[in-house]
Amino acid sequence: SYVVTQPPSVSVAPGQTATITCEGDNIGRKSVHWYQQKPGQAPVLVISYDSDRPSGIPTRFSGSNSGNTATVTISRVEAGDEADYYCQLWENSGAQRYVVFGGGTRLTVL
Amino acid sequence: QLQLVQSGTEVKEPGASIKVSCRASGRAFSGYYLHWVRQAPGQGLEWMAWVNPNSGATKNAQMFEGRLSVTRDTSTTTVFMELSGLRYDDTATYYCARTDFGSGAFDFWGPGTLLNVSS
Repeated sequence: SYVVTQPPSVSVAPGQTATITCEGDNIGRKSVHWYQQKPGQAPVLVISYDSDRPSGIPTRFSGSNSGNTATVTISRVEAGDEADYYCQLWENSGAQRYVVFGGGTRLTVL
Repeated sequence: QLQLVQSGTEVKEPGASIKVSCRASGRAFSGYYLHWVRQAPGQGLEWMAWVNPNSGATKNAQMFEGRLSVTRDTSTTTVFMELSGLRYDDTATYYCARTDFGSGAFDFWGPGTLLNVSS
C-alpha cells in the first residue's frame, strides 16, 4: 500500500513561515489535499488539489507538489494556526481506489 | 442546508458490534462518495471505507476486511458503518465525510461519533 510520511511536529514563531511536508513515492503525480484539525473539532480542508484554496481559507495558506514531496506553507503564522495538519490523497488498488492519510503534523506557534 | 447527522456516543464491550449511522441532506448524498474515517484518542486520521450511495458499491481499507460493513439506505439518505469484533483499540471518534467521485478532497465532515470500547 502507498505510504506518505509527515514530520510529527513543526514549530514556528508568530509572523514567520511554517512549512509542512508530505513525502511519498512520486507523490507529485497525485493530487494532494491538506486538512487542519483543532482539538475537539472535525478536520477542515485548507488546500485541495495540491494548491487550491477553498472559499474562506486565508491567502496565507498555499500548497505545492512535485517529485516526492507535497508541501503546505503557512505565511505570517498566527496563534490561531496552531493545530494538527494532515495530507491526503487517493491511490489505486486494482480496479478500486482508496484513501491515504499522512500521519499528521502538529504545528506549534511559539 | 448541507448536513451530515451522525448517531450518538456508544459504549461497547470487547467482542461486540457497533452500527453507526450518518444521515445526509440531499446535496450530500447523491453524486458523492460518503466515507468513514476514524481517529483514536491522540492519534491521526485513519480512512476506513467509502460507499457510493447511488450504486451501493463500497471499498474497505484492507486492515478492516472481514469485520467492517458499510451500507446505505437511499430512502432515508443514510449510510451505515458496522464494525464487528470490537477491540479496545477501536475506541475512537468515527467521522462520516464526503468527497466527489474523482480524486476529490473531503470537503464536508460530520461531527463525529465517539465509541468507547470498555469492559
